[in-house]
Amino acid sequence: DVKVTQSSRYLVKRTGEKVFLECVQDMDHENMFWYRQDPGLGLRLIYFSYDVKMKEKGDIPEGYSVSREKKERFSLILESASTNQTSMYLCASRLTVNTEAFFGQGTRLTVV
Amino acid sequence: GESVGLHLPTLSVQEGDNSIINCAYSNSASDYFIWYKQESGKGPQFIIDIRSNMDKRQGQRVTVLLNKTVKHLSLQIAATQPGDSAVYFCAENRPRFGNEKLTFGTGTRLTIIP
Repeated sequence: DVKVTQSSRYLVKRTGEKVFLECVQDMDHENMFWYRQDPGLGLRLIYFSYDVKMKEKGDIPEGYSVSREKKERFSLILESASTNQTSMYLCASRLTVNTEAFFGQGTRLTVV
Repeated sequence: GESVGLHLPTLSVQEGDNSIINCAYSNSASDYFIWYKQESGKGPQFIIDIRSNMDKRQGQRVTVLLNKTVKHLSLQIAATQPGDSAVYFCAENRPRFGNEKLTFGTGTRLTIIP
């Protein structure tokens, strides 16, 4: 079974802190994604990566950056956390285009 | 269906009945579609997918219908069970300069009434 693991289930950070959310997949998938999920807004794409060191902005990239130095790991970085970044963050990976994406359990981030 | 805002579309169905969840997608170039189920406290889980060269695909108790003319996708769940209660999302694969992003709708909450 494909496993997508997010480093934390719950995280509380202070405004202005630099925050790292880590995601690791164990199936040699090419594509990886970061989404945030807010009530009534569904999953909104922040960034995605189609290969190592390659990244593309999603629909809401402002305030975020990403890093993919190794194929199995995709990190989401909040350069200076703000309260409006309080959300559920979901990582996903897929083998290649037009295949199903597998999700991690999510990280609930609270910025105070 | 799709909506923007704080209120999730909801659908309540009697246990044992069939349910239909609808989704409108936005990009006529989208070529692959997926339905996901999300239970409370969990990440979304794959249910069924369909490629744009098909208009219907069936799985176990689920059927997805694709109408490209009106850019509409539906998920039919037969003989619903209490475990089907969840939020359901449709996702579309959008080609973008050769790199393809996977975009989700806002979701529909399905409640099965015992």
